[in-house]
Amino acid sequence: GESVGLHLPTLSVQEGDNSIINCAYSNSASDYFIWYKQESGKGPQFIIDIRSNMDKRQGQRVTVLLNKTVKHLSLQIAATQPGDSAVYFCAENRRNTGFQKLVFGTGTRLLVSP
Amino acid sequence: DTEVTQTPKHLVMGMTNKKSLKCEQHMGHRAMYWYKQKAKKPPELMFVYSYEKLSINESVPSRFSPECPNSSLLNLHLHALQPEDSALYLCASSPGLLQETQYFGPGTRLLVL
Repeated sequence: GESVGLHLPTLSVQEGDNSIINCAYSNSASDYFIWYKQESGKGPQFIIDIRSNMDKRQGQRVTVLLNKTVKHLSLQIAATQPGDSAVYFCAENRRNTGFQKLVFGTGTRLLVSP
Repeated sequence: DTEVTQTPKHLVMGMTNKKSLKCEQHMGHRAMYWYKQKAKKPPELMFVYSYEKLSINESVPSRFSPECPNSSLLNLHLHALQPEDSALYLCASSPGLLQETQYFGPGTRLLVL
């Protein structure tokens, strides 16, 4: 079946490094993608989104890149901080007979060491 | 304000109990969702409400019964649950249904004994 997957289950970085979290998707019809951050015991928190008519979008310390040719999505976090430690999910917005359905990837745990 | 609230934060129930989870948003969103999340897994969609009507039921067992009393509230009624139903139950809302960001609440941690 179609899925949204992540390449690495855990990413460990030093404080101040740049982090890159990758995500592959298989549904070429998907037109909207979201990155969420989930801290322990909390609900997913919206970080940034991108529509399929864009290749790149920047936020505060975060950048999302979309490569539709290879169906690849990445989240870049600049100057990673200990507070960035969390599980990061990419989510693919699939249309289903007029309704949207978010399909989440398996998640990447980001560990930031001081 | 992008806040979705959920109550209770934690819930322990027996397999013969009846309980309800509650979700509220005051962002004027017209779509609301219930997700189930097991430990170390991504959220999985259960139900979608659009304009207070059930739009999607992802083949969820009937022991889970959603209800949308008005555009701001979403309930999930629980009855005769099984231990494997223990999970984090997340509520989310979005302005509409197409290409809209979903905002999540903090979840209710449910334990079924």
